Amino acid sequence: GAGVSQSPSNKVTEKGKDVELRCDPISGHTALYWYRQSLGQGLEFLIYFQGNSAPDKSGLPSDRFSAERTGGSVSTLTIQRTQQEDSAVYLCASSLVGGPYPQETQYFGPGTRLLVL
Amino acid sequence: GIQVEQSPPDLILQEGANSTLRCNFSDSVNNLQWFHQNPWGQLINLFYIPSGTKQNGRLSATTVATERYSLLYISSSQTTDSGVYFCAVYSYGKLTFGQGTILTVHP
Repeated sequence: GAGVSQSPSNKVTEKGKDVELRCDPISGHTALYWYRQSLGQGLEFLIYFQGNSAPDKSGLPSDRFSAERTGGSVSTLTIQRTQQEDSAVYLCASSLVGGPYPQETQYFGPGTRLLVL
Repeated sequence: GIQVEQSPPDLILQEGANSTLRCNFSDSVNNLQWFHQNPWGQLINLFYIPSGTKQNGRLSATTVATERYSLLYISSSQTTDSGVYFCAVYSYGKLTFGQGTILTVHP
């Protein structure tokens, strides 16, 4: 596609329910990232996939959060037993190659706005 | 980890004014980006600028990597420039963002 796409755009759920957020990266991009933007914390890194390597999960806030990337393309971020503090905008980004010191641009999707009641 | 600080936190301008936004970072980097977050929340790439100077229309950016700072210049500001401006540096597989500068341009 022309850019990074995410779905759904908005999600309202009840505390304790599970949610799945989807990200479609730019075609041909091998690196994919998830970030979260919340009022009190700003923009923070969650997880990073590069090619077929094991993902860097160092930013996931708890074991209720998990993500997978199928076929080196689409990624799903799953939040189990949602809590009110999970309310935030979840942003996905992709870049061409990635790596520890890439000299390239990350492109962001429009985000999914999650509200946990 | 690397620290990124932006200033000022808020900026209010009249249309047509010029402004300079600053980004300081705590360690050497080889990847720095500036973004504009529009009122709908979309992060729009402005510049990839690990060093040197780039210009794109009314916007320009300069990064002095040896002194660990970057500047974003907005000339002849317009109401559509309003929003939040973020700088972000890349380190160990992730972007670390500053807290942003909230820019409001009044007509």
